[in-house]
Amino acid sequence: TQLLEQSPQFLSIQEGENLTVYCNSSSVFSSLQWYRQEPGEGPVLLVTVVTGGEVKKLKRLTFQFGDARKDSSLHITAAQPGDTGLYLCAVYNNNDMRFGAGTRLTVKP
Amino acid sequence: DAGITQSPRHKVTETGTPVTLRCHQTENHRYMYWYRQDPGHGLRLIHYSYGVKDTDKGEVSDGYSVSRSKTEDFLLTLESATSSQTSVYFCAISGEGGFTEAFFGQGTRLTVV
Repeated sequence: TQLLEQSPQFLSIQEGENLTVYCNSSSVFSSLQWYRQEPGEGPVLLVTVVTGGEVKKLKRLTFQFGDARKDSSLHITAAQPGDTGLYLCAVYNNNDMRFGAGTRLTVKP
Repeated sequence: DAGITQSPRHKVTETGTPVTLRCHQTENHRYMYWYRQDPGHGLRLIHYSYGVKDTDKGEVSDGYSVSRSKTEDFLLTLESATSSQTSVYFCAISGEGGFTEAFFGQGTRLTVV
């Protein structure tokens, strides 16, 4: 069983549509991070959420940390082809850092 | 860009041979990590280090060993490569754990034939 479960695994949408991806766990975390990875590159940090119920916005991306700090969501408004990539959630687990399996998003023009 | 480089970037090796991948950082970060990435599995932690000579196992450590004799270098060794170890390997660095950002290398694509 993975520490972090991400859904959906794959998502293909048209440009302009809205979407939400999820990161869930049965464990409580002090913080959670979202990364985006493009083909041939390493992941790059998008945001860190810390407080239960916290909402952070990054342009068209809205991140929410669940009240119980066990889950998080990423909502993209009016998706663009440049949003295409693998979205990964991650947490620090004691001294190490663990990732979910990711949501692979494709935005078609 | 964070100063983190992986070498080699690509490698093809034969089953049963030892292989060493190198991660080098210029950021003086305490934490270093090795992950493997396979379709459907995201990034899975192999080993990590929280200081010179301080290392610990991750989720998928069987068949791998690591060493960190200097702050800037973290080596991953496949003791006897198997086809199941064909993967893309990423190194990452971070400061103190918790809220800090992790920076990744560009990955090493390893093929075991």
